[in-house]
Amino acid sequence: GENVEQHPSTLSVQEGDSAVIKCTYSDSASNYFPWYKQELGKRPQLIIDIRSNVGEKKDQRIAVTLNKTAKHFSLHITETQPEDSAVYFCAPKGGFQKLVFGTGTRLLVSP
Amino acid sequence: SQTIHQWPATLVQPVGSPLSLECTVEGTSNPNLYWYRQAAGRGLQLLFYSVGIGQISSEVPQNLSASRPQDRQFILSSKKLLLSDSGFYLCAWSAPGSMNTEAFFGQGTRLTVV
Repeated sequence: GENVEQHPSTLSVQEGDSAVIKCTYSDSASNYFPWYKQELGKRPQLIIDIRSNVGEKKDQRIAVTLNKTAKHFSLHITETQPEDSAVYFCAPKGGFQKLVFGTGTRLLVSP
Repeated sequence: SQTIHQWPATLVQPVGSPLSLECTVEGTSNPNLYWYRQAAGRGLQLLFYSVGIGQISSEVPQNLSASRPQDRQFILSSKKLLLSDSGFYLCAWSAPGSMNTEAFFGQGTRLTVV
């Protein structure tokens, strides 16, 4: 939690390409690492998460990888589709009760 | 199952008028509750969070306030709105205590101050 940054802030890909979004955080107590997707005008919703005892998790076309030593985790989307176009947020959480979201990444998938 | 209700969905208010946005959660006890504001095309700015009745933590200085009069009710208020208060307001809840789990969001309130 605490200082949370995402890169890139905007990502444009062609349909079928892969997309990778990186989240870096400062709180070494973080032990829960989720990614949320927010479609235009809608609420953010969880798409995948990982805990600190696991290095990678995959769910169909999406995956999350964690490097706790370097304090970053990444969202990987393969075979992107136009419906993947949205804003993606990470929200690493640890001992603090507050929930701080990353700066957001706007993904645009062109057909 | 747990659900979160947030209303109204849209609101147009004149500058200087008061504000009250309400959020309620069903199906869970002692949730962590959050208020966020999102400017157009921007990120989620944490405004307030609460870990229990009457316990409010403020994250940014502003003319907004929050209250938690009941365990599953979270209210965002302002006495006098500013133009800069326009935005998309989102309420969210997560499991209590140190259980770090998914956050669930309300539908959001799109506030336009005119």
